[in-house]
Amino acid sequence: GAVVSQHPSRVICKSGTSVKIECRSLDFQATTMFWYRQFPKQSLMLMATSNEGSKATYEQGVEKDKFLINHASLTLSTLTVTSAHPEDSSFYICSASFTGAGIYGYTFGSGTRLTVV
Amino acid sequence: AQSVTQLDSQVPVFEEAPVELRCNYSSSVSVYLFWYVQYPNQGLQLLLKYLSGSTLVKGINGFEAEFNKSQTSFHLRKPSVHISDTAEYFCAVSERNTDKLIFGTGTRLQVFP
Repeated sequence: GAVVSQHPSRVICKSGTSVKIECRSLDFQATTMFWYRQFPKQSLMLMATSNEGSKATYEQGVEKDKFLINHASLTLSTLTVTSAHPEDSSFYICSASFTGAGIYGYTFGSGTRLTVV
Repeated sequence: AQSVTQLDSQVPVFEEAPVELRCNYSSSVSVYLFWYVQYPNQGLQLLLKYLSGSTLVKGINGFEAEFNKSQTSFHLRKPSVHISDTAEYFCAVSERNTDKLIFGTGTRLQVFP
């Protein structure tokens, strides 16, 4: 249980275009999802917290106009990288927290490797 | 705000030797603690977590970790490592009054034959 599906797994786009990454909770309702960015051989940096039906909360230093987050339903959160540039190339991972039957934890998507050329 | 420190960026070890990966955190409130493993070009896999109760937590693949509140540590251990344990290991912390999960910088465990 508590599975998150992330698509696409890989995407290559031209500089200046926008890319949308989807994160779906398959067997539970995720009121809160998180978006992380991971550069090669580095840790996961939290970009933003996505709350269903409200605006996302961005971490300091993350451009909200560049990384648009939408969480319109309890099972879907999307991250759109707008006007992508080569420096936006990275591994993006979504996550959702879950609780139930005394269990608490986080489940992660398999990640999206974005390459901007 | 919470923070996580993994002092060792790389830990080389021979097969069948014991290993300890260190993790220290700082927080002004109670926390939940996690260890994740990431194999090359893959997502994260949960090794173990501490939520409450016994401070010694056993996880998958023979790993265990001990929560030490006074030292604000949550070190990961394995008595005998295998080649297949070669991966990146991340310690992570979430504060009980928020839901944000913050990761340490990671430790690269390299097991040699």
